[in-house]
Amino acid sequence: NAGVIQTPRHKVTGKGQEATLWCEPISGHSAVFWYRQTIVQGLEFLTYFRNQAPIDDSGMPKERFSAQMPNQSHSTLKIQSTQPQDSAVYLCASSLPGGYAEQFFGPGTRLTVL
Amino acid sequence: QQKVQQSPESLIVPEGAMTSLNCTFSDSASQYFAWYRQHSGKAPKALMSIFSNGEKEEGRFTIHLNKASLHFSLHIRDSQPSDSALYLCATSNMGYKLTFGTGTSLLVDP
Repeated sequence: NAGVIQTPRHKVTGKGQEATLWCEPISGHSAVFWYRQTIVQGLEFLTYFRNQAPIDDSGMPKERFSAQMPNQSHSTLKIQSTQPQDSAVYLCASSLPGGYAEQFFGPGTRLTVL
Repeated sequence: QQKVQQSPESLIVPEGAMTSLNCTFSDSASQYFAWYRQHSGKAPKALMSIFSNGEKEEGRFTIHLNKASLHFSLHIRDSQPSDSALYLCATSNMGYKLTFGTGTSLLVDP
């Protein structure tokens, strides 16, 4: 079991460019989450998919951020027109179905916007 | 909106000592309480969780929950240098969405 896989591990973009982050959940896990981690704000929930369907995107900035899960083996987080304040570590997590199931995190993608 | 706060922000303890980490939350409807550990540059990993008031022990780790006080804690017995990491507490009342504190950075001095 390789765990949750995230690519790339590091990404540097210029202000105004687009960034796409990829996540491969653990096989058999039907719940997928995206979080953002910064020193100041800590770990913040962004969005949640269950069986590929978007369930809760209450943490997503409404402009510029979007997430998709086109199949059960990967999810993407896209940030359009990146800004310096988007610099953070973006973490993907997955879990088995069921309430309060343990969430397994990937190593994250460190996004730096210059 | 749920607010979760951790104390202290950072902590240095000698090897072999007892370490106590604290977490307070604002939403009395919270049902799930967990601690995660994150070594530098690594993924956060769940340590243990609890649903009901009281305490739960797993090896050197004990979690203690007092819902009336809106407080839960993690105690590490016989702290080891390998325990040095960022400790994150998290709560949930929705079955999936975790709200995390900003973490306590622990250094165990050998």
